[in-house]
Amino acid sequence: AQSVSQHNHHVILSEAASLELGCNYSYGGTVNLFWYVQYPGQHLQLLLKYFSGDPLVKGIKGFEAEFIKSKFSFNLRKPSVQWSDTAEYFCAVTAIYNTGNQFYFGTGTSLTVIP
Amino acid sequence: DAGVIQSPRHEVTEMGQEVTLRCKPISGHDYLFWYRQTMMRGLELLIYFNNNVPIDDSGMPEDRFSAKMPNASFSTLKIQPSEPRDSAVYFCASKLGHVNIQYFGAGTRLSVL
Repeated sequence: AQSVSQHNHHVILSEAASLELGCNYSYGGTVNLFWYVQYPGQHLQLLLKYFSGDPLVKGIKGFEAEFIKSKFSFNLRKPSVQWSDTAEYFCAVTAIYNTGNQFYFGTGTSLTVIP
Repeated sequence: DAGVIQSPRHEVTEMGQEVTLRCKPISGHDYLFWYRQTMMRGLELLIYFNNNVPIDDSGMPEDRFSAKMPNASFSTLKIQPSEPRDSAVYFCASKLGHVNIQYFGAGTRLSVL
C-alpha cells in the first residue's frame, strides 16, 4: 500500500517568510499528486495537482510544488507567506493502477503565519 | 454547483447512541469517499463507493461502523453504538471517474460524550 509522509507537523513563520513543506510518498509506479489546504473550520480545498508533464506546478494563491520522481517527493513552496495562509496543508497521492484511484493523505502540516 | 453537502455540521451525542451522518455528492460524480479526521491519525479513508457499490471498506474501524449508498445522490455513515473515541470530523468527498480530483464536503464534527 502507498503511504505519504509529511515531515513538518507544525510550522510557524512570520509574514513574508518563504515556505517549503515536505512531502514524500512510497510507490514506484505512476502517481497523481495533490496538495489540499484546510482553512480553520473549513473543508479541504484543492491547492494544486500534478498529473503529468512539467514537474513544477503552480496552484492558487501563489503556491507551487515540484515533483521530483527520483526522490519520491512533492514539496510545496511559496516565496512569501501571508497571514491568510494560516491553515492545515495535506499532501495526497493516488496510484494509477486500478480504476479506484484511492487517495492516500499525509497527516498534515499545520502552518501558522504571524503578522 | 452546490458541491458536496454533508449534514449535520455538528453532532453531539451520548455514548451508546446511534449516529447517522449524511452526504450528497456532486451531481454526476460516480465515486464517493468517507474519511475521518483526528488529531492523532490525520485523515483516514474509511470506505469508498463506485456507482453506489462499496469497493473498499478496509478502513472501517469496526463493526459498529456501516455505510450505505442507496442511490447516486445520497450516502450515509452510521455508528451504532457510538463511543467517545469516535469523536472526530467526518468528511465526505466525491469525484468523477475520469477526473482524478476529489471534492470535499464541509464535514460533520462529531462529539460523543
